Amino acid sequence: QKEVEQDPGPLSVPEGAIVSLNCTYSNSAFQYFMWYRQYSRKGPELLMYTYSSGNKEDGRFTAQVDKSSKYISLFIRDSQPSDSATYLCAFSTGGFKTIFGAGTRLFVKA
Amino acid sequence: DAGVTQSPTHLIKTRGQQVTLRCSPKSGHDTVSWYQQALGQGPQFIFQYYEEEERQRGNFPDRFSGHQFPNYSSELNVNALLLGDSALYLCASSDRGDTGELFFGEGSRLTVL
Repeated sequence: QKEVEQDPGPLSVPEGAIVSLNCTYSNSAFQYFMWYRQYSRKGPELLMYTYSSGNKEDGRFTAQVDKSSKYISLFIRDSQPSDSATYLCAFSTGGFKTIFGAGTRLFVKA
Repeated sequence: DAGVTQSPTHLIKTRGQQVTLRCSPKSGHDTVSWYQQALGQGPQFIFQYYEEEERQRGNFPDRFSGHQFPNYSSELNVNALLLGDSALYLCASSDRGDTGELFFGEGSRLTVL
């Protein structure tokens, strides 16, 4: 079983749609849960960061962590063409290594 | 405020050669991590440097080595290049190394022929 599972997509949605991106994980020791956004030919940028279970909202973005189900989600409301990118879930146990999912490619059509 | 800078941005090498990649961390950050990202994959942890010491290493062979300088900048060296080493090499800096809050550079794209 992989430590992190993320559907690579691609996911194509019309502008204005609500987007749901998900990852599952198997390591119960993960304490920090992140979402990174990576535009083509660029480095990843931190989008959302949460510690432990619960929800966190930042503008059009909401991150959810369900530690009991080992499942994290990122929701994007009112999606825009500028949201077209690869979204990487990421996890840390509090050690020095961050584990990334393979990334989901998102296309938002105008 | 300068972010993480990496050089070179692109380079082409042949099998068996050696390569050195360079990274300057974001201002105020003292910890540098290196990641390898193959096409269509997520970044894979190579190692992390703090106070000029390698603090943790991922599942990469000894051909991959690094260094951190007193000004916190860092180098990644790869010896005896293989075709499979072709990837985007990402440097990430942080003010702590243990939370996953990483600031990435734009990467160095290495092609091995």
